[in-house]
Amino acid sequence: VQLVQSGAEVGKPGESLKISCRASGYTFTNYWIAWVRQMPGKGLEWMGIIYPGDSQTTYSPSFHGHVTISVDKSITTTYLHWGSLKASDTAIYFCARLDEPMGSYYFDYWGQGTLVTVSS
Amino acid sequence: EIVLTQSPGTLSLSPGDRATLSCRSSQTISSSYLAWYQQKPGQAPRLLIYGTSNRAPGIPDRFSGSGPGTDLSGRDFTLTVSSLEPEDFAVYYCQQYGSLPLYSFGQGTKLEIK
Repeated sequence: VQLVQSGAEVGKPGESLKISCRASGYTFTNYWIAWVRQMPGKGLEWMGIIYPGDSQTTYSPSFHGHVTISVDKSITTTYLHWGSLKASDTAIYFCARLDEPMGSYYFDYWGQGTLVTVSS
Repeated sequence: EIVLTQSPGTLSLSPGDRATLSCRSSQTISSSYLAWYQQKPGQAPRLLIYGTSNRAPGIPDRFSGSGPGTDLSGRDFTLTVSSLEPEDFAVYYCQQYGSLPLYSFGQGTKLEIK
């Protein structure tokens, strides 16, 4: 199992941006993929999650309306998109696969992280 | 909203010591819904423990998880490292599954070399 994320990005406030997470080594449509933010020197924040099988998506209230999570099953890739960046979006973003065997819910595989820097 | 509070914020210990990290939930959660991760600088988090006490594949048996605590409230969980190795010094996060936000993390405990 591998989750490979796109490279570091630099954007300006108000610009749009999309980063990606390509999955391999397992049946892509059978596992949820989440996005997690880590601001500089801070902890982990769950942003939202998508089920590639049917594109069902749930967002954390803290991020709902500011980011969009999408998927392209044909290339086993999940995306995190901003329509209008803010300086406070500067962070490392991780994608992570959710495993849920017998009622447990945890993130067993993680991407390497994508650094997003927003600066005018 | 379920909030996870980890303590202490920083734990200073020496190799060979026993480390005990705490994670308290603001509401009762099922033991199935609590996991622990380790994160080293510049790396992605790594799953250590799931379902409160199950070690992830490849995790050494010096790592163990327990809970809920003796107050039977279903809110106190513990990660123990029985004898610290140099590579264990890192930041540790607990994570829960529940009501919105569906998933949340504690603020982390930094385990540093004394």
